[in-house]
Amino acid sequence: DQQVKQNSPSLSVQEGRISILNCDYTNSMFDYFLWYKKYPAEGPTFLISISSIKDKNEDGRFTVFLNKSAKHLSLHIVPSQPGDSAVYFCAASVGFQKLVFGTGTRLLVSP
Amino acid sequence: NAGVTQTPKFQVLKTGQSMTLQCAQDMNHNSMYWYRQDPGMGLRLIYYSASEGTTDKGEVPNGYNVSRLNKREFSLRLESAAPSQTSVYFCASSTGLNTEAFFGQGTRLTVV
Repeated sequence: DQQVKQNSPSLSVQEGRISILNCDYTNSMFDYFLWYKKYPAEGPTFLISISSIKDKNEDGRFTVFLNKSAKHLSLHIVPSQPGDSAVYFCAASVGFQKLVFGTGTRLLVSP
Repeated sequence: NAGVTQTPKFQVLKTGQSMTLQCAQDMNHNSMYWYRQDPGMGLRLIYYSASEGTTDKGEVPNGYNVSRLNKREFSLRLESAAPSQTSVYFCASSTGLNTEAFFGQGTRLTVV
């Protein structure tokens, strides 16, 4: 039973354009959400997070949006760069409990 | 700044063999985790340790045991390896649950 879903296995965008990665969740108790980036042969690295009391969080080129009524999370990357090409995982947790990860979306940014 | 260090990086086991994956962190984090990553499955939690002296099962604990040796170290043991345990294993740590976790570089394990 996948509580965190990333329905797009892959996404291709051109350099300079916006990348939008989506994530849906089923557990309405989740109150903390994170995005991780993973390059091949490396461990995931933390990118950005948002708590359920907010609907938006920005960090440079990265913005995470949370729509609690739709149980939907998205990551916007503007402008996209070739170095952003990686697998992106969304994750969620309930209070002080362990993170549940989605299956990942592979982003390819072409020059 | 080592962060989270996992050993070994690669391992091939025969079915039925045992082995221990080692993990150490130097960030003075309270919580540590073991995940496995399989194609199309994302990262699934095997075991976690909220603090020194405690361990709890995650989503896929069967076939594994863990030891939180001290605050720095959290090991994962496969007592009798099976081909279904072929995966990439990641150790992670965080200051507490529900916070950003830092990951090691992973151990690629193949069971033949």
